[in-house]
Amino acid sequence: DGGITQSPKYLFRKEGQNVTLSCEQNLNHDAMYWYRQDPGQGLRLIYYSQIVNDFQKGDIAEGYSVSREKKESFPLTVTSAQKNPTAFYLCASTGTGAYEQYFGPGTRLTVT
Amino acid sequence: RKEVEQDPGPFNVPEGATVAFNCTYSNSASQSFFWYRQDCRKEPKLLMSVYSSGNEDGRFTAQLNRASQYISLLIRDSKLSDSATYLCAVPSGGSYIPTFGRGTSLIVHP
Repeated sequence: DGGITQSPKYLFRKEGQNVTLSCEQNLNHDAMYWYRQDPGQGLRLIYYSQIVNDFQKGDIAEGYSVSREKKESFPLTVTSAQKNPTAFYLCASTGTGAYEQYFGPGTRLTVT
Repeated sequence: RKEVEQDPGPFNVPEGATVAFNCTYSNSASQSFFWYRQDCRKEPKLLMSVYSSGNEDGRFTAQLNRASQYISLLIRDSKLSDSATYLCAVPSGGSYIPTFGRGTSLIVHP
């Protein structure tokens, strides 16, 4: 089955710790994205990558970092510099020249 | 004006009703539009794409009004299972990256 996987589904961390969220896709999509969703809010773009070894900041990149060493993988690190990290994090991908985004199941991060 | 705006609702409708909600966008250069469905605590899933004046898929119809810069989603014969949040997504002209609205909550009751 082709799709996007994110792990873990739930993640709990103490304040001050960095944490890395996994995102893997086997759709052979070039572009991958990370979004954050807070209750009652839309999706806000954190980072995106349109090709391996290249990525760009989205609207709310501060306190986050990413890497794109492989086409299939786009991990997101939430650093201790992120002021309000507790949120629902969604990874998405699109095929070349396509607009339609396909999402992974998301990771709920709680930082206390 | 926000790039993509939606009425958050909730829209409470009985089973079998027809319901419609709109999504307004600010970038007149946008050429494609998308509706996603998001169930509670789940990921968004693509419902419909709109590249011209509209699109229809079973009970769901999306229509584009370029003059007034909005797209609508019409759901006929609502089912309990249609209860969800419906997100509108609009890529800015020249970009593949969409801006998402905050979503409209639909509750279909017996």
